[in-house]
Amino acid sequence: EPEVTQTPSHQVTQMGQEVILRCVPISNHLYFYWYRQILGQKVEFLVSFYNNEISEKSEIFDDQFSVERPDGSNFTLKIRSTKLEDSAMYFCASRDYSGRNTDTQYFGPGTRLTVL
Amino acid sequence: LAKTTQPISMDSYEGQEVNITCSHNNIATNDYITWYQQFPSQGPRFIIQGYKTKVTNEVASLFIPADRKSSTLSLPRVSLSDTAVYYCLVGVVKSGATNKLIFGTGTLLAVQP
Repeated sequence: EPEVTQTPSHQVTQMGQEVILRCVPISNHLYFYWYRQILGQKVEFLVSFYNNEISEKSEIFDDQFSVERPDGSNFTLKIRSTKLEDSAMYFCASRDYSGRNTDTQYFGPGTRLTVL
Repeated sequence: LAKTTQPISMDSYEGQEVNITCSHNNIATNDYITWYQQFPSQGPRFIIQGYKTKVTNEVASLFIPADRKSSTLSLPRVSLSDTAVYYCLVGVVKSGATNKLIFGTGTLLAVQP
């Protein structure tokens, strides 16, 4: 069964450093998402991406965040200057566009980001 | 998006059937009900989705009464590996729309031997 993959599984960085989290969505999917989950808290929506542009973003997704689909397979989340409060699990998800009303989002295993 | 209420936690034993109920009193006409499962340190995984009546797949059943103000996820004969957080989500699923998922706190199901 096809799956979403994410690298690295764990990233440790110093406050103020830039990080890039990578995702490979399922190959025929058209919608891509980033979510994050701070330890012990809810899964929170960050951003959605369709047709090479952001389709929606949350209040969390400020100017320090950016997303990119640099080629036909990767989807990246960049945090320009990390803060302590950016420490969380970051999940990538993708969704097909089948025209039905019941499209499912498939999540990757996550990247645990630790900012020191 | 309709607000959902579900128990914070539930306990069960292996082999039992588990029913997790979610309340969504303000559900809108176009809203679907979707359940996701999340194991520790893993991404959420889709379990089942429905609009009304009953939906069944190889993993679970979803019961939705006529007024749609609640729904019940039924897991038959749970095993230790079903220990996870179960999320009930309610919202419109539109073709061509963002369809972002709004997660609540979920129900932590603990299955004991």
